[in-house]
Amino acid sequence: EAGVTQFPSHSVIEKGQTVTLRCDPISGHDNLYWYRRVMGKEIKFLLHFVKESKQDESGMPNNRFLAERTGGTYSTLKVQPAELEDSGVYFCASGQGETQYFGPGTRLLVL
Amino acid sequence: QKEVEQDPGPLSVPEGAIVSLNCTYSNSAFQYFMWYRQYSRKGPELLMYTYSSGNKEDGRFTAQVDKSSKYISLFIRDSQPSDSATYLCAMRIGGSNYKLTFGKGTLLTVNP
Repeated sequence: EAGVTQFPSHSVIEKGQTVTLRCDPISGHDNLYWYRRVMGKEIKFLLHFVKESKQDESGMPNNRFLAERTGGTYSTLKVQPAELEDSGVYFCASGQGETQYFGPGTRLLVL
Repeated sequence: QKEVEQDPGPLSVPEGAIVSLNCTYSNSAFQYFMWYRQYSRKGPELLMYTYSSGNKEDGRFTAQVDKSSKYISLFIRDSQPSDSATYLCAMRIGGSNYKLTFGKGTLLTVNP
């Protein structure tokens, strides 16, 4: 069974640009989560989808971040415009029930 | 005060040692407790999942939860070089709230 996949694995952009991260969950998983780890800090929750609906978006830092999950399958997280403090590793996780399976992350560097 | 405190280490032990990793938390609403292992450049991988206070054992790994002290531990027996990784504690409130709150992680190196 394929795990959670994320694309791209790395992204380097300049401040003010737009970046879109993609997550493909494990097939059949209704729950999809986004987390972020900023350097030196702990992994922090961003939001939770159940199918295509946002169940909890309490962790989204501001309105420069937009997450979508069209059709309840893959999800995208767009950052527009990117700021220096957005640099970090963005993890996606999926699950059916309580367990969350994490992807390898997208390493974002904003210069 | 952070909700979850975890000593980031690093922790270096010889092969075969018993390793003890710990987290404390401040939010008494946390009901579910997890330990994840993360290898370099990989995503966190679930190792242990516990709900109630007490011990849970899985092979060389034992997770311990003490809700009265707001303290959780992970013990690794007969540690192996392949156990070298970052260990993250995580917890959640429960019910329909699936948000995980993580500790910073402890970097463990097991030396052959």
